[in-house]
Amino acid sequence: RKEVEQDPGPFNVPEGATVAFNCTYSNSASQSFFWYRQDCRKEPKLLMSVYSSGNEDGRFTAQLNRASQYISLLIRDSKLSDSATYLCVVPVQRQNFVFGPGTRLSVLP
Amino acid sequence: DTAVSQTPKYLVTQMGNDKSIKCEQNLGHDTMYWYKQDSKKFLKIMFSYNNKELIINETVPNRFSPKSPDKAHLNLHINSLELGDSAVYFCASSPRGEQFFGPGTRLTVL
Repeated sequence: RKEVEQDPGPFNVPEGATVAFNCTYSNSASQSFFWYRQDCRKEPKLLMSVYSSGNEDGRFTAQLNRASQYISLLIRDSKLSDSATYLCVVPVQRQNFVFGPGTRLSVLP
Repeated sequence: DTAVSQTPKYLVTQMGNDKSIKCEQNLGHDTMYWYKQDSKKFLKIMFSYNNKELIINETVPNRFSPKSPDKAHLNLHINSLELGDSAVYFCASSPRGEQFFGPGTRLTVL
């Protein structure tokens, strides 16, 4: 099993739709997790941190299932500006992080 | 008021040359990183520095050497550049787990 795997995508959804991405990880000792978004030809930017069972920030909800070792990201009421690649990040040891391959989202008008 | 800055933004060079990429952060973070993002868009950690001490050194060729003159800077020096080094290199800094990335340096080796 790879260290971090994500839904390959791309996800093409209409504006206003709800979309969810999954991320699975292999290191059961990992405690905190992160979702980043990366726009084309730009740097990754932190979207959400997930330290316990989940986190919610406006239209975005991240959930953590430690037993099954996966993290999900739910986006409600999708906007055109949500179009990006979403990266799941898992710490594997102190100050060492593994980025998932990313899931590309296109929100269509 | 740029948080994490990198120079240059673009770097085009010939095989065999030696080049450096500079990174500076004004966030007061203790840890800085270098990442490589290849043409397939995979982002992989190369180095991590915490208070001027290298604490992670992934299996990158020893042609790559990070240099940290102080806590706010982590430069990347690359010797004998190869075609496969072409990629986007991102610098990042972190107070704990959350990382803040620089805009990236797009390196093209001809």
